[in-house]
Amino acid sequence: GAGVSQSPSNKVTEKGKDVELRCDPISGHTALYWYRQSLGQGLEFLIYFQGNSAPDKSGLPSDRFSAERTGGSVSTLTIQRTQQEDSAVYLCASNRGPGELFFGEGSRLTVL
Amino acid sequence: QKEVEQDPGPLSVPEGAIVSLNCTYSNSAFQYFMWYRQYSRKGPELLMYTYSSGNKEDGRFTAQVDKSSKYISLFIRDSQPSDSATYLCAGNYGQNFVFGPGTRLSVLP
Repeated sequence: GAGVSQSPSNKVTEKGKDVELRCDPISGHTALYWYRQSLGQGLEFLIYFQGNSAPDKSGLPSDRFSAERTGGSVSTLTIQRTQQEDSAVYLCASNRGPGELFFGEGSRLTVL
Repeated sequence: QKEVEQDPGPLSVPEGAIVSLNCTYSNSAFQYFMWYRQYSRKGPELLMYTYSSGNKEDGRFTAQVDKSSKYISLFIRDSQPSDSATYLCAGNYGQNFVFGPGTRLSVLP
């Protein structure tokens, strides 16, 4: 597609439930990032995928968070046993070189 | 100290004004510097990126980087109400992109 595509755009869930967020990067982009943006906060790095290399998971806040990228393209971020503090906008981004990173519109997660 | 800092604002200016948005950073490893615009409930949109020190112009927007003082600026000429948004600066080296918290700008008609 023309840009980074994320789904769902909005997700409301109950505390303790698992959620999956999907990202389809720009075609040809080898690098994919997940960030979290909380109200009034900056962008918090979560995880980075580059080609077939092992992902950089250093930003994941707890073991309830995991992500995978299948076939070097689509990625899924999974949050298990959601907590209220997980409420945020989850942004996916992709690039193929330095200096530019293209974001999707985000998935807004609300945990009740 | 955060790696990238910027005044959160809000900054309010009248339509037609020249806007100056600024960031400071601490990581000398940054090679690329970016400015993003983020409208409410939307994802960040890449406006411009520059490599190392210098200026880059794109229409009404000019990005300026001074690596000696670790200072990044974005100038918006003839500001429009449609420029009202949050502006994020960022530094990049290798796979690492580090973002400032954003400055909220309101351009009043």
